[in-house]
Amino acid sequence: GDSVTQMEGPVTLSEEAFLTINCTYTATGYPSLFWYVQYPGEGLQLLLKATKADDKGSNKGFEATYRKETTSFHLEKGSVQVSDSAVYFCALSTNYGGSQGNLIFGKGTKLSVKP
Amino acid sequence: NAGVTQTPKFRVLKTGQSMTLLCAQDMNHEYMYWYRQDPGMGLRLIHYSVGEGTTAKGEVPDGYNVSRLKKQNFLLGLESAAPSQTSVYFCASRVSGGMGEQFFGPGTRLTVL
Repeated sequence: GDSVTQMEGPVTLSEEAFLTINCTYTATGYPSLFWYVQYPGEGLQLLLKATKADDKGSNKGFEATYRKETTSFHLEKGSVQVSDSAVYFCALSTNYGGSQGNLIFGKGTKLSVKP
Repeated sequence: NAGVTQTPKFRVLKTGQSMTLLCAQDMNHEYMYWYRQDPGMGLRLIHYSVGEGTTAKGEVPDGYNVSRLKKQNFLLGLESAAPSQTSVYFCASRVSGGMGEQFFGPGTRLTVL
């Protein structure tokens, strides 16, 4: 079945460091791909998304490119801030059958940014 | 707009007790979802609804029931709670069609003793 695998954390970085969180997927067809972020004590909120191959999603300095050839959607940010400390979830949305639009999540990666 | 709200925020139950979690959304969304979040497991779909009066099973439906009597509300019931149902529960909603963004509530932390 469809699945998402993302790098395990926790990840600890110093402020202004470069961030990469790896995400790969297995899916039938052509899923949409998402990164959601969960700040402490809150629900998830959409960070960025991409709906087809080679699309780049971007928001708040974060970027991810939909790579069909490597089935990947890695999250990157050039200079992290303390306020980026959160748990990041990679997810895919199926595009077929009765479960169209349902999200399948990776296990999450906790990021801590130190001043 | 309040978005997606969940009631209650916290709850402690004893094994065998029952309870209902309420999710409400004011965005006129057709689709609604219930997930559970467990450490190291990500979010897993329990049940979902594609419109008023409809429900469907997700990945981990056993031990839960749901109802969608009104478009804006999606209820999750535990008839006989078990310690394995200790988790954080999230509700989400989205517009119909396509594969659009899901909007999440703040969560309910449930502990079953």
